[in-house]
Amino acid sequence: AQRVTQPEKLLSVFKGAPVELKCNYSYSGSPELFWYVQYSRQRLQLLLRHISRESIKGFTADLNKGETSFHLKKPFAQEEDSAMYYCALVLSGGYNKLIFGAGTRLAVHP
Amino acid sequence: DTEVTQTPKHLVMGMTNKKSLKCEQHMGHRAMYWYKQKAKKPPELMFVYSYEKLSINESVPSRFSPECPNSSLLNLHLHALQPEDSALYLCASSQALGYGYTFGSGTRLTVV
Repeated sequence: AQRVTQPEKLLSVFKGAPVELKCNYSYSGSPELFWYVQYSRQRLQLLLRHISRESIKGFTADLNKGETSFHLKKPFAQEEDSAMYYCALVLSGGYNKLIFGAGTRLAVHP
Repeated sequence: DTEVTQTPKHLVMGMTNKKSLKCEQHMGHRAMYWYKQKAKKPPELMFVYSYEKLSINESVPSRFSPECPNSSLLNLHLHALQPEDSALYLCASSQALGYGYTFGSGTRLTVV
């Protein structure tokens, strides 16, 4: 079955510390993976998509097909990074159906 | 215009009421979606529209009725809801595979 797993509900770090939010997926097809962020009282925003291999707000994520992972990393966390982060997988087959992991709340302390 | 606009932002309705949620985008996206998000939970897919036709209904109860009048608009008609239907209802649109979704800010629905 198709599934996205984010094992940590909460990740708490201090400002300036490295951050890694874990994401594993289960999908028989070719995965299209994304990271979405939801800041307090704001809409869900696309942060990264794996096909673009970009860095947004200092965050990067690399697709590892061998380990079926798409972990989100940032070398130095900032307080404004505190938010809910969702890893998401698109199920293809013509419908572009997006399913989300349970989410990880990142709390960056001063 | 690079946004998905949802109205109203907040809605309180009784269990016998009929109401509608509205979603609008002018990005030329041909796929539109309704999601339901309960507190501290990820969004759950309800419906998918592709080229104004319903493609996916995730076994949503019939008290939720989607409608796509044109390529820019998506409605969700609500009737005889239950208190457990109280949630944030999110609309999204997408251009194509691999581009991700653009989400609206949602309608926070309370059923009393």
